[in-house]
Amino acid sequence: GENVEQHPSTLSVQEGDSAVIKCTYSDSASNYFPWYKQELGKGPQLIIDIRSNVGEKKDQRIAVTLNKTAKHFSLHITETQPEDSAVYFCAAAYSKVIFGPGTSLSVIP
Amino acid sequence: DTEVTQTPKHLVMGMTNKKSLKCEQHMGHRAMYWYKQKAKKPPELMFVYSYEKLSINESVPSRFSPECPNSSLLNLHLHALQPEDSALYLCASSQGGTGGAYTQYFGPGTRLTVL
Repeated sequence: GENVEQHPSTLSVQEGDSAVIKCTYSDSASNYFPWYKQELGKGPQLIIDIRSNVGEKKDQRIAVTLNKTAKHFSLHITETQPEDSAVYFCAAAYSKVIFGPGTSLSVIP
Repeated sequence: DTEVTQTPKHLVMGMTNKKSLKCEQHMGHRAMYWYKQKAKKPPELMFVYSYEKLSINESVPSRFSPECPNSSLLNLHLHALQPEDSALYLCASSQGGTGGAYTQYFGPGTRLTVL
């Protein structure tokens, strides 16, 4: 069935460094790739998304890249801040949304 | 405004109780979703309503009963739950139909504990 893998499962970075989270998906029909940030005790919040007709998208310190041929997509956070600490979920969607298992990001001041 | 609200924030119930979770959105979205999320796991889809009709039921036990009274409201009625049903229950909404390519916006969730 459809599957999304996500690596790493945990990531610790120093404040100001960059963080990269990578995902792969199995359903070649997937055409929409959202990223969600979930802080402790809160619901997932959409932070950026990309559609299959675009290879890269950037919003301030956050960027997402998509390689449809390899079925890979990645989240890049630059100049990390302590408030970036959270669990990040990638997802791939066509008929429904399939979430990756999540990455727990810790930004050390 | 991309706000989805959920009440209550926390709920503790016994296995013989009947309770309801409520979700509301005023973004004009026509699809609404219930997800269940266990600790350190991604959300798992339970139900989808599209244009106020149930369109997807992911083989959820009948002790969970969804209801969509109108396009802005979504309820989840709970009865005879088990301790393993304790989780964070998330509501989400999206424009248009239930195709995955519509952006889903999540509420803050209801933390449910079943004793």
